[in-house]
Amino acid sequence: GEDVEQSLFLSVREGDSSVINCTYTDSSSTYLYWYKQEPGAGLQLLTYIFSNMDMKQDQRLTVLLNKKDKHLSLRIADTQTGDSAIYFCAESVSQGNLIFGKGTKLSVKP
Amino acid sequence: DTGVSQDPRHKITKRGQNVTFRCDPISEHNRLYWYRQTLGQGPEFLTYFQNEAQLEKSRLLSDRFSAERPKGSFSTLEIQRTEQGDSAMYLCASSSGPLAGDREQFFGPGTRLTVL
Repeated sequence: GEDVEQSLFLSVREGDSSVINCTYTDSSSTYLYWYKQEPGAGLQLLTYIFSNMDMKQDQRLTVLLNKKDKHLSLRIADTQTGDSAIYFCAESVSQGNLIFGKGTKLSVKP
Repeated sequence: DTGVSQDPRHKITKRGQNVTFRCDPISEHNRLYWYRQTLGQGPEFLTYFQNEAQLEKSRLLSDRFSAERPKGSFSTLEIQRTEQGDSAMYLCASSSGPLAGDREQFFGPGTRLTVL
């Protein structure tokens, strides 16, 4: 069945780059997403990538997609304390509903 | 329009009671999704609507759960005879698909349900 896997925790120092990794199983996924969730807040769409692309850059965010290995990563350049949150990887399936990973908690140390 | 809104933000109920949640999507978004999120997990899909038609339901949506979108705008999610296992954050999302490619789902703040 469909499944999305992420590492649960990542800790970086302020100013460093963060790389959050994700693997998925459904090769028919058309779009892959990164969402951010801060404590007590809803899910914020950060970026997404179409499955026929291998890279997308948006300001400090870079998404890399290896479709052969079904591996997705999110790189945050110059990580700030405000980037501390849980980051969810998600794939779109069937009619457009999303399958989410369990989330990676990013902690940024000053 | 400032985004997807949900009401109430928090609900505490006793086991066996019925609860109803409301979601107002972004104006003119014709797709509306319901998800459930438990502690330490990612959101899990429950059901979705294209306008007023409920097109897909997850196996997670037991017979005690019912969702409606009567006029293709706001939606309600009702849980009958609540159980402690229903305690979760219930999230609503909307998107402008299908003609726009349905690429972006925008989420509301969620309704946190606690069943005592």
